[in-house]
Amino acid sequence: GNSVTQMEGPVTLSEEAFLTINCTYTATGYPSLFWYVQYPGEGLQLLLKATKADDKGSNKGFEATYRKETTSFHLEKGSVQVSDSAVYFCALTKNSGNTPLVFGKGTRLSVIA
Amino acid sequence: DGGITQSPKYLFRKEGQNVTLSCEQNLNHDAMYWYRQDPGQGLRLIYYSQIVNDFQKGDIAEGYSVSREKKESFPLTVTSAQKNPTAFYLCASSMGELRDEQFFGPGTRLTVL
Repeated sequence: GNSVTQMEGPVTLSEEAFLTINCTYTATGYPSLFWYVQYPGEGLQLLLKATKADDKGSNKGFEATYRKETTSFHLEKGSVQVSDSAVYFCALTKNSGNTPLVFGKGTRLSVIA
Repeated sequence: DGGITQSPKYLFRKEGQNVTLSCEQNLNHDAMYWYRQDPGQGLRLIYYSQIVNDFQKGDIAEGYSVSREKKESFPLTVTSAQKNPTAFYLCASSMGELRDEQFFGPGTRLTVL
């Protein structure tokens, strides 16, 4: 079945450091891929998405590229801020059929000043 | 403003009592979902519904029940049969197909004493 694997957290970075959170997936066909962010005590918000191979999703300085050859969708940001401290979830959905999103376990990011 | 509301934000109950968590959306979405979130476990799907008066079990439905009498509402009842109900509960909705991106409510933190 479909699955998503994220790097184990927590990740702790200093402000202005470069961020990479790895996400790899297992799926048949051509899924759509998502990154969601959850700030403390809140629900999840969609951060970015990509619907086909080589697409790059971007938002608020975050980027992720849909790499079909490596089945990956790694999240990157060039310079993190304290306000980026949150839990980040990678997710996928199949573009054929009709099944709910499958989420990774989440990666907690802490950015210190 | 369109969105998803969950109430209350915090809920305390005694062991052995049933409790119902509210979820309302005014996004005109067809599909709605309930997730449970525990530390380090990511999101686990409890129930989902694609249309009024129909719903399906997710991965961890035991000890929970739902109803979908109106398009806008998808309440979740945590019954006394749920062995470990203390958790953060998230409600979400999506437009039509289950594979569409989901929009989340702010969550309800349930503590069973």
